[in-house]
Amino acid sequence: AQSVTQLDSQVPVFEEAPVELRCNYSSSVSVYLFWYVQYPNQGLQLLLKYLSGSTLVKGINGFEAEFNKSQTSFHLRKPSVHISDTAEYFCAVSDPDTGGFKTIFGAGTRLFVKA
Amino acid sequence: EAGVAQSPRYKIIEKRQSVAFWCNPISGHATLYWYQQILGQGPKLLIQFQNNGVVDDSQLPKDRFSAERLKGVDSTLKIQPAKLEDSAVYLCASSWGILAGGENEQFFGPGTRLTVL
Repeated sequence: AQSVTQLDSQVPVFEEAPVELRCNYSSSVSVYLFWYVQYPNQGLQLLLKYLSGSTLVKGINGFEAEFNKSQTSFHLRKPSVHISDTAEYFCAVSDPDTGGFKTIFGAGTRLFVKA
Repeated sequence: EAGVAQSPRYKIIEKRQSVAFWCNPISGHATLYWYQQILGQGPKLLIQFQNNGVVDDSQLPKDRFSAERLKGVDSTLKIQPAKLEDSAVYLCASSWGILAGGENEQFFGPGTRLTVL
């Protein structure tokens, strides 16, 4: 069965500094990969997704992620964070080999941006 | 475009009581999902509907949890009887459908925070 590991439970960072949130998934022939963001007391919102093609994916709010098949990773990056980026970030994988393209979420990484 | 609606937003009950959550997906979305998100964890899929049929309910504790999606639109998730470990946020999401492939984006509602005392 597919699994997703987010290597950091919390990431504190100063405003305007770069940030990387790490995500690894268990091996599969092909997967779809997603990053979602969850602001306090809100549902999840899609940041970006990788389906195929270019391994560098750009999303909303200046975020981007790079798909690395050999390392089964999909790390999320932003060159300069803002206070408003403080939120919980979830990496997710959808496995086309399972019926219904079941989506598995990681445990989340809490990004805390300090002034 | 209206988003995914859920009610209630908060619910506090005693253990062994029953509770029901309601979800209205985005109009036209064929697939509806219920997730359980325990504090400090990622969302865990409980059940997935395609129209009014169940696609996946492998992680639904069927001895106490039930869900239905009559007429393929809104859905209700019920817990009867509730246990302490059911305390969590219950998220509803919808998407255009699995026929669009696994890449179709899921849109989430704000969730219902359940506390079982």
